[in-house]
Parts: sequence; structure tokens; C-alpha cells
Amino acid sequence: DTAVSQTPKYLVTQMGNDKSIKCEQNLGHDTMYWYKQDSKKFLKIMFSYNNKELIINETVPNRFSPKSPDKAHLNLHINSLELGDSAVYFCASSQDGGAKNIQYFGAGTRLSVL
Amino acid sequence: AQSVTQLDSHVSVSEGTPVLLRCNYSSSYSPSLFWYVQHPNKGLQLLLKYTSAATLVKGINGFEAEFKKSETSFHLTKPSAHMSDAAEYFCVVAPMDSNYQLIWGAGTKLIIKP
Repeated sequence: DTAVSQTPKYLVTQMGNDKSIKCEQNLGHDTMYWYKQDSKKFLKIMFSYNNKELIINETVPNRFSPKSPDKAHLNLHINSLELGDSAVYFCASSQDGGAKNIQYFGAGTRLSVL
Repeated sequence: AQSVTQLDSHVSVSEGTPVLLRCNYSSSYSPSLFWYVQHPNKGLQLLLKYTSAATLVKGINGFEAEFKKSETSFHLTKPSAHMSDAAEYFCVVAPMDSNYQLIWGAGTKLIIKP
């Protein structure tokens, strides 16, 4: 059973398009995250939701909009894609309480903007 | 301010020899510390964690790390490298004053020579 699953795994698209990446976790966790990993492998947090409420919103262009329909899902919508958006996007989740800082990651979505 | 520094961007060892990946942190409080591993084109997997219990922490795949407060270090070691250990390794700090936001190191690429 996949704990944190992202779709699609690969996404190739043209500049200016709008695309969405979906994330689902079946761990019963309350908190979910989106990270961006650039070509140098540097990992940067973008957003975090706790029980469908936005709790972390780093300096990210407003073309990026997260949506959490329920605590098991956190989707990422990107408008007007740019070349610099090409990266690997990781979804993660963690459980509140003593272990809240242990994050479990999906396999990543490799986005290529042409 | 909290920070984490991985002292080597690349480490190359021969199969069967010991592995040492170095990590130093800066934190005002006693932090939680983690090592994550990312195999090529894969997601991030938790290797081990330190949360103020035993200072020597054992993880998966024969890895272990020792928390040394006096040196503010959390180096990752393995007695004998295996080809399957080739991956990117990330040292991560979870400051006690932040329930959700992790601080990621830049990563160390481990190369295993046959």
C-alpha cells in the first residue's frame, strides 16, 4: 500500500499552460506539505496544510495555489507555467503529536516546462 | 537562527569500506534531527531520527548516527558500503520552536565504487 501517492509521476507541458498535481495520503495524518526540489537537489518547502487549513505559505508566486478538499488530499495547481517551474515537486505528510515532525514523502512529480 | 550544514557535497567510497557523511547543525534549542535518503529518481525516505533519547541512533540498511551536542554534529555512518547505498542523503533539523517546518541540508551525494 502506497502511503503518500502523487499523480502524475511525470508532467511535460508548454509554457503558459495550467496544470495540477494531486496528492493523497492514507496514513491518517493531519498535516500535508508541498516541496520543490531544484536541479541541484535543494529542497524548499512551499506550502503546508493542517486539517485543511493553510499553516505555511512560503514566498511562492501566486501562480501556485494549493487546495485541500479534505485532510487526506492536498493538490497543487499551477497557472501560466514558466520555464523556471521545471523541478521535482514532492508531497509529504506528518502526524500531529509527538511524532509530528517525521514527514513521509511521495515519490515526486517531475515537471518539465518547455 | 537555526541552520544545518552538510560538509561534503559528494562522498566517494569503495564497496565494503566505511561510510561517513558529515552534518553540523545550529539550533537555539535541543532539536530533533533526521537523515533522509533519496535514491535516483525516487522519493525521500526516512533513514533515522534523533529525538532526545539515546544519542546513538540506529536506522535502516545498517546506517547509524551519533548526536554530539558539544560538537553540534549528527554524522551518519555505516561500517561497510554496499552498491545499493548510492544515493543523495539529507540531514534535517526540526527546531523545537517550529512544529511543522523542517530545515534541510543541501544534501550529500554518496558514490560507491566497485
